[in-house]
Amino acid sequence: GAVVSQHPSWVICKSGTSVKIECRSLDFQATTMFWYRQFPKQSLMLMATSNEGSKATYEQGVEKDKFLINHASLTLSTLTVTSAHPEDSSFYICSARFHDRSYEQYFGPGTRLTVT
Amino acid sequence: EDQVTQSPEALRLQEGESSSLNCSYTVSGLRGLFWYRQDPGKGPEFLFTLYSAGEEKEKERLKATLTKKESFLHITAPKPEDSATYLCAVQGANSKLTFGKGITLSVRP
Repeated sequence: GAVVSQHPSWVICKSGTSVKIECRSLDFQATTMFWYRQFPKQSLMLMATSNEGSKATYEQGVEKDKFLINHASLTLSTLTVTSAHPEDSSFYICSARFHDRSYEQYFGPGTRLTVT
Repeated sequence: EDQVTQSPEALRLQEGESSSLNCSYTVSGLRGLFWYRQDPGKGPEFLFTLYSAGEEKEKERLKATLTKKESFLHITAPKPEDSATYLCAVQGANSKLTFGKGITLSVRP
């Protein structure tokens, strides 16, 4: 149980275009989902927290107009990187918290974004 | 501000050579301390949650322990497939996970 999927697993896009990444909890309902970013040899940095049906809460320094997050249902959250630039190239990972499993977060496999 | 420090940064072991990974933390209102395993190019895989000092949990060759200031991940008789980066994270009163930088473990056959 507690499986989280992400799609796509990797994507290459041109500078100035937008990319959408999906995060799904496959076998449980997630009241809260999180989006992280990870640079090579670095740990995970929280970008934003999203609760189903409400606006996402962004961490300091994260541009909410650039990283659009939608949490439309208890099993799906999306991250859209708008007007992508090479510096947005990174490994993006989502996680979901199962409301019955106190505070435990289960992570997706990640999405490697490369902006050329 | 919650902080997590993991040591050593990297650890190389011979197969069968037991060792421990350390995670020191400061947190406001600990709600849980988490251990994850991360393989290259993949998301973290959940291992353990510890909630209070004195708590211990085991899974196969891994055992996690918790005190008020640190946690240890003990690896008994490791195998090459245990090679990965091990992440420690704490969740405090703000409900956010704060991660350490991770410990890269290499187990030689």
